[in-house]
Amino acid sequence: EDKVVQSPLSLVVHEGDTVTLNCSYEVTNFRSLLWYKQEKKAPTFLFMLTSSGIEKKSGRLSSILDKKELFSILNITATQTGDSAIYLCALRDDKIIFGKGTRLHILP
Amino acid sequence: EAGVTQFPSHSVIEKGQTVTLRCDPISGHDNLYWYRRVMGKEIKFLLHFVKESKQDESGMPNNRFLAERTGGTYSTLKVQPAELEDSGVYFCASSQVAGATYNEQFFGPGTRLTVL
Repeated sequence: EDKVVQSPLSLVVHEGDTVTLNCSYEVTNFRSLLWYKQEKKAPTFLFMLTSSGIEKKSGRLSSILDKKELFSILNITATQTGDSAIYLCALRDDKIIFGKGTRLHILP
Repeated sequence: EAGVTQFPSHSVIEKGQTVTLRCDPISGHDNLYWYRRVMGKEIKFLLHFVKESKQDESGMPNNRFLAERTGGTYSTLKVQPAELEDSGVYFCASSQVAGATYNEQFFGPGTRLTVL
Protein backbone atom coordinates (compact mmCIF):
# COMPACT_ATOMS: atom_id res chain seq x y z
CA GLU A 1 0.00 0.00 0.00
CA ASP A 2 1.26 3.51 -0.80
CA LYS A 3 2.55 5.21 2.30
CA VAL A 4 4.01 8.58 3.33
CA VAL A 5 5.79 8.69 6.69
CA GLN A 6 6.75 11.94 8.36
CA SER A 7 9.04 12.46 11.30
CA PRO A 8 9.10 13.70 13.88
CA LEU A 9 5.39 13.74 14.69
CA SER A 10 5.89 16.79 16.86
CA LEU A 11 8.70 19.25 17.46
CA VAL A 12 9.10 22.15 19.89
CA VAL A 13 12.03 24.53 19.43
CA HIS A 14 12.92 28.10 20.31
CA GLU A 15 12.68 31.04 17.99
CA GLY A 16 15.83 31.35 15.91
CA ASP A 17 16.53 27.63 15.78
CA THR A 18 16.80 25.72 12.50
CA VAL A 19 14.58 22.68 11.99
CA THR A 20 14.58 19.81 9.52
CA LEU A 21 11.38 17.92 8.88
CA ASN A 22 11.57 14.50 7.27
CA CYS A 23 9.34 12.73 4.82
CA SER A 24 9.92 9.21 3.52
CA TYR A 25 7.64 7.36 1.20
CA GLU A 26 6.73 4.04 -0.30
CA VAL A 27 4.75 5.04 -3.35
CA THR A 28 5.09 3.23 -6.62
CA ASN A 29 4.09 6.01 -8.95
CA PHE A 30 3.76 9.72 -8.44
CA ARG A 31 4.20 12.95 -10.36
CA SER A 32 5.41 15.20 -7.61
CA LEU A 33 6.08 15.54 -3.90
CA LEU A 34 4.30 18.39 -2.19
CA TRP A 35 4.79 20.21 1.09
CA TYR A 36 1.92 22.06 2.76
CA LYS A 37 1.65 24.25 5.84
CA GLN A 38 -1.54 23.89 7.83
CA GLU A 39 -2.24 26.48 10.49
CA LYS A 40 -5.78 26.76 11.74
CA LYS A 41 -7.70 25.69 8.69
CA ALA A 42 -6.83 24.94 5.08
CA PRO A 43 -3.47 23.43 4.11
CA THR A 44 -1.56 26.00 2.08
CA PHE A 45 0.89 25.01 -0.60
CA LEU A 46 4.62 25.47 0.03
CA PHE A 47 6.62 23.49 -2.51
CA MET A 48 6.30 21.06 -5.36
CA LEU A 49 9.29 18.82 -6.05
CA THR A 50 9.54 16.67 -9.13
CA SER A 51 13.26 16.18 -9.71
CA SER A 52 15.84 14.63 -7.44
CA GLY A 53 18.60 16.80 -6.00
CA ILE A 54 17.21 20.21 -6.95
CA GLU A 55 16.65 22.42 -3.92
CA LYS A 56 13.59 24.66 -3.87
CA LYS A 57 13.81 27.79 -1.73
CA SER A 58 11.31 30.32 -0.49
CA GLY A 59 12.69 32.75 2.05
CA ARG A 60 13.74 30.81 5.11
CA LEU A 61 12.19 27.58 3.84
CA SER A 62 13.86 25.12 1.54
CA SER A 63 13.18 21.58 0.42
CA ILE A 64 14.85 18.83 -1.53
CA LEU A 65 13.82 15.44 -2.88
CA ASP A 66 15.90 12.27 -3.12
CA LYS A 67 14.15 9.82 -5.42
CA LYS A 68 16.83 7.18 -4.99
CA GLU A 69 16.53 7.03 -1.21
CA LEU A 70 12.80 7.87 -1.32
CA PHE A 71 12.73 10.85 0.98
CA SER A 72 12.39 14.59 1.15
CA ILE A 73 13.32 17.16 3.78
CA LEU A 74 11.90 20.56 4.59
CA ASN A 75 14.30 22.98 6.27
CA ILE A 76 13.27 26.10 8.12
CA THR A 77 16.08 28.40 9.25
CA ALA A 78 15.87 31.17 11.85
CA THR A 79 12.43 29.98 12.91
CA GLN A 80 9.78 32.46 14.03
CA THR A 81 6.62 31.96 16.10
CA GLY A 82 4.61 32.35 12.91
CA ASP A 83 6.17 29.14 11.61
CA SER A 84 4.18 27.19 14.19
CA ALA A 85 1.89 24.88 12.22
CA ILE A 86 1.42 21.34 11.00
CA TYR A 87 3.63 20.63 8.01
CA LEU A 88 2.24 18.04 5.63
CA CYS A 89 4.18 16.03 3.09
CA ALA A 90 2.21 14.50 0.26
CA LEU A 91 2.69 12.57 -2.96
CA ARG A 92 0.67 13.59 -5.96
CA ASP A 93 -0.40 11.50 -8.87
CA ASP A 94 -3.89 12.69 -9.52
CA LYS A 95 -5.21 12.35 -6.02
CA ILE A 96 -2.94 13.32 -3.15
CA ILE A 97 -1.57 10.86 -0.58
CA PHE A 98 -0.73 12.64 2.66
CA GLY A 99 1.53 11.86 5.57
CA LYS A 100 0.28 12.43 9.10
CA GLY A 101 2.19 15.67 9.37
CA THR A 102 4.75 17.15 11.74
CA ARG A 103 3.36 19.51 14.34
CA LEU A 104 5.93 22.29 14.82
CA HIS A 105 5.71 24.68 17.74
CA ILE A 106 8.08 27.61 18.00
CA LEU A 107 8.60 29.06 21.47
CA PRO A 108 9.29 32.79 21.74
CA GLU B 1 -10.60 36.04 -5.66
CA ALA B 2 -12.57 33.86 -3.23
CA GLY B 3 -10.98 30.59 -2.25
CA VAL B 4 -12.61 27.24 -1.67
CA THR B 5 -15.35 27.56 0.92
CA GLN B 6 -16.99 24.86 2.98
CA PHE B 7 -20.15 24.80 5.02
CA PRO B 8 -20.63 24.31 7.88
CA SER B 9 -17.42 24.88 9.80
CA HIS B 10 -18.39 22.42 12.45
CA SER B 11 -21.30 20.01 12.76
CA VAL B 12 -22.18 17.92 15.79
CA ILE B 13 -24.78 15.19 15.24
CA GLU B 14 -25.90 12.03 16.90
CA LYS B 15 -25.16 8.58 15.61
CA GLY B 16 -27.79 7.55 13.10
CA GLN B 17 -28.54 11.06 11.91
CA THR B 18 -27.84 12.47 8.49
CA VAL B 19 -25.44 15.28 7.71
CA THR B 20 -24.74 17.07 4.45
CA LEU B 21 -21.51 18.95 3.92
CA ARG B 22 -21.15 21.51 1.19
CA CYS B 23 -18.14 22.65 -0.80
CA ASP B 24 -17.97 25.63 -3.14
CA PRO B 25 -14.84 25.38 -5.27
CA ILE B 26 -13.00 28.29 -6.79
CA SER B 27 -15.08 29.58 -9.67
CA GLY B 28 -14.16 27.93 -12.95
CA HIS B 29 -12.32 24.99 -11.42
CA ASP B 30 -13.25 21.74 -13.13
CA ASN B 31 -11.71 19.43 -10.55
CA LEU B 32 -13.18 19.01 -7.10
CA TYR B 33 -11.80 16.65 -4.47
CA TRP B 34 -13.02 15.48 -1.10
CA TYR B 35 -10.58 14.37 1.60
CA ARG B 36 -11.04 13.33 5.21
CA ARG B 37 -8.83 13.42 8.27
CA VAL B 38 -9.84 11.12 11.07
CA MET B 39 -8.31 11.82 14.49
CA GLY B 40 -4.73 10.65 14.70
CA LYS B 41 -4.55 9.64 11.07
CA GLU B 42 -3.44 11.24 7.87
CA ILE B 43 -5.65 13.15 5.45
CA LYS B 44 -7.11 10.58 3.06
CA PHE B 45 -8.57 10.95 -0.39
CA LEU B 46 -12.29 10.22 -0.75
CA LEU B 47 -13.22 11.11 -4.30
CA HIS B 48 -12.62 13.31 -7.31
CA PHE B 49 -15.11 15.05 -9.58
CA VAL B 50 -14.30 16.38 -13.01
CA LYS B 51 -17.09 18.84 -13.59
CA GLU B 52 -20.21 16.88 -12.63
CA SER B 53 -18.75 13.40 -13.21
CA LYS B 54 -17.14 11.18 -10.62
CA GLN B 55 -13.62 10.52 -11.91
CA ASP B 56 -12.41 8.44 -8.98
CA GLU B 57 -14.38 7.40 -5.93
CA SER B 58 -11.98 4.73 -4.73
CA GLY B 59 -11.53 6.39 -1.35
CA MET B 60 -15.18 6.45 -0.32
CA PRO B 61 -15.40 4.35 2.84
CA ASN B 62 -18.81 2.73 2.28
CA ASN B 63 -22.26 3.30 0.86
CA ARG B 64 -23.32 5.56 3.71
CA PHE B 65 -21.40 8.29 1.92
CA LEU B 66 -22.92 9.97 -1.13
CA ALA B 67 -21.25 12.79 -3.02
CA GLU B 68 -22.89 14.86 -5.71
CA ARG B 69 -21.90 17.73 -7.92
CA THR B 70 -24.94 18.59 -9.93
CA GLY B 71 -24.23 21.17 -12.61
CA GLY B 72 -20.51 20.90 -12.02
CA THR B 73 -20.34 23.77 -9.54
CA TYR B 74 -20.68 23.16 -5.81
CA SER B 75 -20.59 19.68 -4.32
CA THR B 76 -22.31 18.03 -1.38
CA LEU B 77 -21.18 15.09 0.67
CA LYS B 78 -23.95 13.35 2.56
CA VAL B 79 -23.39 10.86 5.33
CA GLN B 80 -26.46 8.76 6.11
CA PRO B 81 -26.70 7.30 8.68
CA ALA B 82 -23.67 8.75 10.45
CA GLU B 83 -21.55 6.49 12.66
CA LEU B 84 -19.09 7.39 15.41
CA GLU B 85 -16.09 6.57 13.19
CA ASP B 86 -17.20 9.17 10.66
CA SER B 87 -16.03 11.93 13.00
CA GLY B 88 -13.18 13.94 11.55
CA VAL B 89 -12.37 16.92 9.39
CA TYR B 90 -13.64 16.81 5.83
CA PHE B 91 -11.61 18.88 3.39
CA CYS B 92 -12.57 19.92 -0.08
CA ALA B 93 -10.06 21.02 -2.70
CA SER B 94 -10.37 22.28 -6.24
CA SER B 95 -8.03 22.64 -9.17
CA GLN B 96 -8.32 24.27 -12.49
CA VAL B 97 -8.35 22.44 -15.74
CA ALA B 98 -9.17 18.81 -16.27
CA GLY B 99 -6.44 16.87 -18.00
CA ALA B 100 -3.66 19.42 -17.49
CA THR B 101 -0.20 18.16 -16.56
CA TYR B 102 -0.14 19.86 -13.20
CA ASN B 103 -2.93 21.49 -11.32
CA GLU B 104 -2.34 22.88 -7.86
CA GLN B 105 -5.12 21.84 -5.56
CA PHE B 106 -6.45 24.64 -3.37
CA PHE B 107 -7.91 23.47 -0.11
CA GLY B 108 -10.90 24.73 1.78
CA PRO B 109 -10.86 25.27 5.56
CA GLY B 110 -12.56 21.95 6.23
CA THR B 111 -15.74 20.94 8.02
CA ARG B 112 -15.26 19.35 11.41
CA LEU B 113 -17.83 16.59 11.88
CA THR B 114 -18.44 15.21 15.33
CA VAL B 115 -20.73 12.21 15.68
CA LEU B 116 -21.87 11.51 19.24
